[in-house]
Amino acid sequence: EAQVTQNPRYLITVTGKKLTVTCSQNMNHEYMSWYRQDPGLGLRQIYYSMNVEVTDKGDVPEGYKVSRKEKRNFPLILESPSPNQTSLYFCASSRVDETQYFGPGTRLLVL
Amino acid sequence: DAKTTQPPSMDCAEGRAANLPCNHSTISGNEYVYWYRQIHSQGPQYIIHGLKNNETNEMASLIITEDRKSSTLILPHATLRDTAVYYCIVRVGTDSWGKLQFGAGTQVVVTP
Repeated sequence: EAQVTQNPRYLITVTGKKLTVTCSQNMNHEYMSWYRQDPGLGLRQIYYSMNVEVTDKGDVPEGYKVSRKEKRNFPLILESPSPNQTSLYFCASSRVDETQYFGPGTRLLVL
Repeated sequence: DAKTTQPPSMDCAEGRAANLPCNHSTISGNEYVYWYRQIHSQGPQYIIHGLKNNETNEMASLIITEDRKSSTLILPHATLRDTAVYYCIVRVGTDSWGKLQFGAGTQVVVTP
């Protein structure tokens, strides 16, 4: 089944403790992206990647890192999480210039 | 700046057609209109997209006005499972095709 998977789906952590949210797609898509969703602010893009080893900042990249070592994986790294990064996170993927498919979301709480 | 304007909410009776309007008066000639929906904090789901011709697929129809300044998403026979937030998105230019700028969307509630 074609899908975008994210892990973990739910995570509670404390300020400053490094964490990684994984994203994987099995559709051989070139493009992958991370969004965060907050009440009243909607979905905002954090980082995106056009292909392996090609990444760029979205609208709200501060406090986040990404890497794209393999085509199928695009992990989101929070080196030192802070409470303002408490949010619902979505990974998305697509072929170039085609429809984006979203993962199920990761709900993060930073205490 | 918002590129699309949608009503914040609307109700629809089950089995009836739901017509969701969207204004995009500043749309450029090479920009597509996309519709996604999000069911209660799940990942957004693609519905349909179009450039200037009307489009139909198994989920919905998209009607784009001739001047392309507005469009309507039609769910022909709404079911309770169509209750969701519906987003009308104008793709941000050909150089930034990957970034989808989500607005506030329209909360659609389908009632029995």
